[in-house]
Amino acid sequence: QKEVEQNSGPLSVPEGAIASLNCTYSDRGSQSFFWYRQYSGKSPELIMFIYSNGDKEDGRFTAQLNKASQYVSLLIRDSQPSDSATYLCAVNLYDKIIFGKGTRLHILP
Amino acid sequence: EAGVTQFPSHSVIEKGQTVTLRCDPISGHDNLYWYRRVMGKEIKFLLHFVKESKQDESGMPNNRFLAERTGGTYSTLKVQPAELEDSGVYFCASSKNLLAGRYNEQFFGPGTRLTVL
Repeated sequence: QKEVEQNSGPLSVPEGAIASLNCTYSDRGSQSFFWYRQYSGKSPELIMFIYSNGDKEDGRFTAQLNKASQYVSLLIRDSQPSDSATYLCAVNLYDKIIFGKGTRLHILP
Repeated sequence: EAGVTQFPSHSVIEKGQTVTLRCDPISGHDNLYWYRRVMGKEIKFLLHFVKESKQDESGMPNNRFLAERTGGTYSTLKVQPAELEDSGVYFCASSKNLLAGRYNEQFFGPGTRLTVL
């Protein structure tokens, strides 16, 4: 079983709509959870992290964590064309980051 | 403040040759990490330095890979001899001192794209 699983996409969302990205992880020892954004040919950039069950909001982004279900999600409200990128879900497991393959998000103008 | 830098940005070598990748972390960051992404796969952890010491090298694929961080500043990752399956993007990241039970954000460099022919 993959440690961090994501749908590879592409996920196409109209501009202004809500983009919903999902992720599951296998190791219950995972301590913290992240969403990275990666533009083509660029390095991953941390956009959200969450430690506790529930929701965490930062601007247009909301991260959601459910440890019982081993599920993490990212909502992007009012999607913009500049949000088009690959979104990597990741977990911190004993101080190394375990990444998923990423979901390609395409915002349609 | 300068970010994490990596050199070279691209490297094309032939199978059997040696390549050395360099990473300069953010100044003052004790933690330095190497990751690799091969085509079609997820980014995978290779190893973690705390200052000059290897804290965790469980992700190193085999003994053809050697990482060093002499003096606890920059790090090098040498592949010798390189094989076709070593092709990919090698990322370096750095973070500040770890706090127990907390996560310190890892800042990623731009990566080195290695192509082995």
